[in-house]
Amino acid sequence: EADIYQTPRYLVIGTGKKITLECSQTMGHDKMYWYQQDPGMELHLIHYSYGVNSTEKGDLSSESTVSRIRTEHFPLTLESARPSHTSQYLCASSFTNTIYFGEGSWLTVV
Amino acid sequence: RKEVEQDPGPFNVPEGATVAFNCTYSNSASQSFFWYRQDCRKEPKLLMSVYSSGNEDGRFTAQLNRASQYISLLIRDSKLSDSATYLCAVNDAGNMLTFGGGTRLMVKP
Repeated sequence: EADIYQTPRYLVIGTGKKITLECSQTMGHDKMYWYQQDPGMELHLIHYSYGVNSTEKGDLSSESTVSRIRTEHFPLTLESARPSHTSQYLCASSFTNTIYFGEGSWLTVV
Repeated sequence: RKEVEQDPGPFNVPEGATVAFNCTYSNSASQSFFWYRQDCRKEPKLLMSVYSSGNEDGRFTAQLNRASQYISLLIRDSKLSDSATYLCAVNDAGNMLTFGGGTRLMVKP
């Protein structure tokens, strides 16, 4: 089992609120990722990081931002949530090419 | 054309059946291949890596066909608990793993 943790697991917030989804891994992996996935739909990479102070945007445009100040921590922030941000957000990490996922954060914006 | 493509299914099979899924990839330079399993509303979990020589883990067999650029997953003696979405993943030119859209399997009693 991968040691990668996401909080909160479930969140319902109002439109316009700022939220941060936390992701931590204890495996010392350099690479970390954020994916967005709607139920029954494909995984979409929205952000990734190859190490501290490295962040890149993924294939799917996202209004979220990320930071990587510590190896083990890769939080995702939405400055002003909208109903279109309602989705599951999956954090992942890897050392080589094998990616391990956290349990996901389900975000509902009302 | 997508870099990694899968038949979305669903594949509806009876218990005990053998079922196979394919996953095609477009980058001939890809070196790493994986199968993940994703249950409904859960995170994807690594099922198995796919090696050039193929590999087997119990009822599951993964194969790589470089000439035709696809990987396959064979499930023998299907169980109800095998019902899930199976995602393939292939590393791309930037050494980033790209996931297919997934193939949904439903095993019926």
